[in-house]
Amino acid sequence: EAGVAQSPRYKIIEKRQSVAFWCNPISGHATLYWYQQILGQGPKLLIQFQNNGVVDDSQLPKDRFSAERLKGVDSTLKIQPAKLEDSAVYLCASSLASDRERDGYTFGSGTRLTVV
Amino acid sequence: GQSLEQPSEVTAVEGAIVQINCTYQTSGFYGLSWYQQHDGGAPTFLSYNGLDGLEETGRFSSFLSRSDSYGYLLLQELQMKDSASYFCAVSLPFGQNFVFGPGTRLSVLP
Repeated sequence: EAGVAQSPRYKIIEKRQSVAFWCNPISGHATLYWYQQILGQGPKLLIQFQNNGVVDDSQLPKDRFSAERLKGVDSTLKIQPAKLEDSAVYLCASSLASDRERDGYTFGSGTRLTVV
Repeated sequence: GQSLEQPSEVTAVEGAIVQINCTYQTSGFYGLSWYQQHDGGAPTFLSYNGLDGLEETGRFSSFLSRSDSYGYLLLQELQMKDSASYFCAVSLPFGQNFVFGPGTRLSVLP
């Protein structure tokens, strides 16, 4: 099966600019996650979607970050305006809602964002 | 709050056995998972423990003790390709999300 697709692979922007990331999950995976991974740390959940509804966005900095998952398939994550501390890898993951523990999440390769 | 602890770095030689420990303090617990991440790559799922005891998958085994809030990943017959970061992750109950540990960087030397 095809994996989780993300684009772009790398992005460099200046602070206060905006940026958007795209994710296409594995076909049939109802649950989609966006994680932020700062260098040397574990992934931190930003937002979880179940189909096109938000399940958990408690750790999303809503003053600058937004995400949507129209039609319950693809998703975009936006940062506006970006800050230096947003430099990180943004990982998208998907899972079958019914067995996420046993089968785990499938992660995409991520987008490496550098804010200068 | 949620807190997971792992050693930051572990070094071993090819062919050896290495154990990576994980202790956790979380508000609720459903199970413990392990993920491997090579530099620049995506985390990949290795194993899951929902019950106490040992789970074996090829050269990798994972152990959980709920009473001790402790688990470990055991890697046997180490190979150079095992050099990577390893993350433990606690899955919380009632459909809540995983909380990832800080990661352990494993270096396998020839």
